[in-house]
Amino acid sequence: EPEVTQTPSHQVTQMGQEVILRCVPISNHLYFYWYRQILGQKVEFLVSFYNNEISEKSEIFDDQFSVERPDGSNFTLKIRSTKLEDSAMYFCASTLGLVDTQYFGPGTRLTVL
Amino acid sequence: AQRVTQPEKLLSVFKGAPVELKCNYSYSGSPELFWYVQYSRQRLQLLLRHISRESIKGFTADLNKGETSFHLKKPFAQEEDSAMYYCALKPNQAGTALIFGKGTTLSVSS
Repeated sequence: EPEVTQTPSHQVTQMGQEVILRCVPISNHLYFYWYRQILGQKVEFLVSFYNNEISEKSEIFDDQFSVERPDGSNFTLKIRSTKLEDSAMYFCASTLGLVDTQYFGPGTRLTVL
Repeated sequence: AQRVTQPEKLLSVFKGAPVELKCNYSYSGSPELFWYVQYSRQRLQLLLRHISRESIKGFTADLNKGETSFHLKKPFAQEEDSAMYYCALKPNQAGTALIFGKGTTLSVSS
């Protein structure tokens, strides 16, 4: 069964550094998402992406964040200048259509020191 | 404001006992509700959604619009049901974001 994959599984970075988290959605899916979960808190929506554009974003998704689909398979989340409070588990998800089930990747644990 | 509340952080039951994981939501329109499950060291995966009205792994959930609830139930818990359970809301079909509750850890012991 096809799955969403994410790399790396764990990323450690210094405060102020740029990080890029990578996701490979399920191949025929059209909608892509990023969520994050700070330790002990709920899973929070960051952004959704369709047809090479952001379709929806939350208040968390400020100018420090950007998303890109650089080729036909990858979907990336970039954090320009990481802060301590960006430490979290970041989940990528994808769906075939807007009303379909969101399939989640295993997550990338980001630790900002 | 749109919100999903799961009042229990941890629910511990014995094998064979009934289980009810509570979920209440706050939304003025007609939402779509989901239960996601995360087994140890695995990814979040959909358990069930209210529009499909099916039973998965013996679990059922009924949307009660009057009480704004979507509680997850299973008549006889199994040890393999031990996991983290998240209730989630999708505000409308035009939107894309899922709004999650904080999750409830279900622990089933023998």
